[in-house]
Amino acid sequence: SYELTQPPSVSVSPGQTASITCSGDKLGDKYACWYQQKPGQSPVLVIYQDNKRPSGIPERFSGSNSGNTATLTISGTQAMDEADFYCQAWDSSTYVVFGGGTKLTVL
Amino acid sequence: QLQLQESGPGLVKPSETLSLTCTVSGGSISSSTYYWGWIRQPPGKGLEWIGSIYYRGRIYYNPSLKSRVTISVDTSNNQFSLKLNSVTAADTAVYYCAVTNQGDMATTFWGQGTLVTVSS
Repeated sequence: SYELTQPPSVSVSPGQTASITCSGDKLGDKYACWYQQKPGQSPVLVIYQDNKRPSGIPERFSGSNSGNTATLTISGTQAMDEADFYCQAWDSSTYVVFGGGTKLTVL
Repeated sequence: QLQLQESGPGLVKPSETLSLTCTVSGGSISSSTYYWGWIRQPPGKGLEWIGSIYYRGRIYYNPSLKSRVTISVDTSNNQFSLKLNSVTAADTAVYYCAVTNQGDMATTFWGQGTLVTVSS
């Protein structure tokens, strides 16, 4: 079965750049998307089709996907960005697959 | 803007069937743009996709749950439903109904989620 691997946690100082990775076999050949989930809330789509931002998502959120790794980058990280982030992809055998999630801490 | 609302029992006994319904507003469940599906999240854990259905009947299930899951669409009431049978405590989770883009399989809209506890 297809699996996506994320680091359990990432820390960043306010104003700095945070990068969260998502690894999977030939992930670059698939579309990757990213969700942000704050405590007690439903997830929100922040990146789709590797690098597109839905309406209303700040420009500081960006994405890339190549080889075996997709990366979510948050530039000029703000305290309000602290949340859990999940990557997701579609695989022909496992269908919708989520990564295990990364807790972003803004110190 | 699509809006989704889950409904169903918050407590289910072990070995019984978990049944949830998602009511869709702001759009038609007969849309060719979307898959309609369910995602769950055990307390303190990550997201797990359960399955998705296209209104014309194409259905995808998580292989690990496939033997216990049924997802169906009710176009007359603009709703879709989840049934998970033979539940155990491991099925305790917040269950989200969700809308996934047909093209890139990104989940664009989520319900608020409903906690279902499996306990006697």
